[in-house]
Amino acid sequence: GAGVSQTPSNKVTEKGKYVELRCDPISGHTALYWYRQSLGQGPEFLIYFQGTGAADDSGLPNDRFFAVRPEGSVSTLKIQRTERGDSAVYLCASSLRGGGRIEGSYNEQFFGPGTRLTVL
Amino acid sequence: GQSLEQPSEVTAVEGAIVQINCTYQTSGFYGLSWYQQHDGGAPTFLSYNALDGLEETGRFSSFLSRSDSYGYLLLQELQMKDSASYFCAVSPGANNLFFGTGTRLTVIP
Repeated sequence: GAGVSQTPSNKVTEKGKYVELRCDPISGHTALYWYRQSLGQGPEFLIYFQGTGAADDSGLPNDRFFAVRPEGSVSTLKIQRTERGDSAVYLCASSLRGGGRIEGSYNEQFFGPGTRLTVL
Repeated sequence: GQSLEQPSEVTAVEGAIVQINCTYQTSGFYGLSWYQQHDGGAPTFLSYNALDGLEETGRFSSFLSRSDSYGYLLLQELQMKDSASYFCAVSPGANNLFFGTGTRLTVIP
């Protein structure tokens, strides 16, 4: 079956511009996560959606970052007034349901291939 | 906050066994996960420990000691395709993962 897809695969923009990154989760997965990964680092948690609502946005670095998931499926990460420091790979993941532990079993996160954002 | 420590690089011979250690500090703990990531690829789930002990999945095993805030990933019968980065990640709450900086494993013939 289809996995998590992300578009675009690459995005080059200029400092100060606005960008949108899209994530299509696995069908039927209610939980969706955004991470960003810089070179040589592990993924850094940004935000978690359960259904349509942002259940945990504690990882968003500042108010230039915003994400939506209006119908509980596709999600868009929006970055305003981009800065060079925003350059990274933005990863999306989905899981069948939220929560790291459900009745003793792990709720595995499936990652998409990422969007490589370069801010010039 | 959270912090994780794992070796930055490990090299091992094809067919051998390698252990990648992970120590962590976290304000909350639901479990320790391991993910594999090939260059340019997406992280893929390998293993998860919520309780102390060893979990085995094929050639991969993962161990957790909550009292020591320590875990490891054991890879047996190494294959060239196992060359990748391996991340340990803690679940400080039910909803997110906090990743370490990763261990780059190089398998040599």
